Amino acid sequence: GAGVSQTPSNKVTEKGKYVELRCDPISGHTALYWYRQSLGQGPEFLIYFQGTGAADDSGLPNDRFFAVRPEGSVSTLKIQRTERGDSAVYLCASSGAGGPTDTQYFGPGTRLTVL
Amino acid sequence: AQSVTQLGSHVSVSEGALVLLRCNYSSSVPPYLFWYVQYPNQGLQLLLKYTSAATLVKGINGFEAEFKKSETSFHLTKPSAHMSDAAEYFCAVSGGSNYKLTFGKGTLLTVNP
Repeated sequence: GAGVSQTPSNKVTEKGKYVELRCDPISGHTALYWYRQSLGQGPEFLIYFQGTGAADDSGLPNDRFFAVRPEGSVSTLKIQRTERGDSAVYLCASSGAGGPTDTQYFGPGTRLTVL
Repeated sequence: AQSVTQLGSHVSVSEGALVLLRCNYSSSVPPYLFWYVQYPNQGLQLLLKYTSAATLVKGINGFEAEFKKSETSFHLTKPSAHMSDAAEYFCAVSGGSNYKLTFGKGTLLTVNP
């Protein structure tokens, strides 16, 4: 079946602009996660959704970052007033129920470059 | 709090040689441990996971890992490397009610002919 998809695959923007990154999870998965992977680093947790609600947003670095999942399926990560330090690959993952032993299935990521 | 340390950012082996990628963890609750592989321009793919059942875990592509609580380790091994194993490998930990994965910095595996 279809895996996790993310669009766009690449996004180049200018400092100060607003961007939206989209994630389509595996159909039926109730749990959805966003991670950020900087060059030479492992992925770092940003936010976790269970259904439509953000169950844990402790990884969002500041209030410029926001994510939604209004219908419990597709999620959008929104970044306001982008900064050069936001440049990274943004990864989305989904899992069936969201338990700590669940396998998280990752999408290919969106590479964000802030000039 | 949880953390993962992967010793060796780059490991190089010859085709047919043993692969050993090291992972040590720190966790204040009983951990669940994962190894993911990332091929260029692809998403992370799960190789195997430890969820408190058997301490020796077998995964895909001939990889296995052993959970050693006394050593707080979860090293990844494969008896004989193939060229197709060249990729970046990430160890990750979760635990308790903590659903998020905490990753190490990754180890890039190079396989030489």
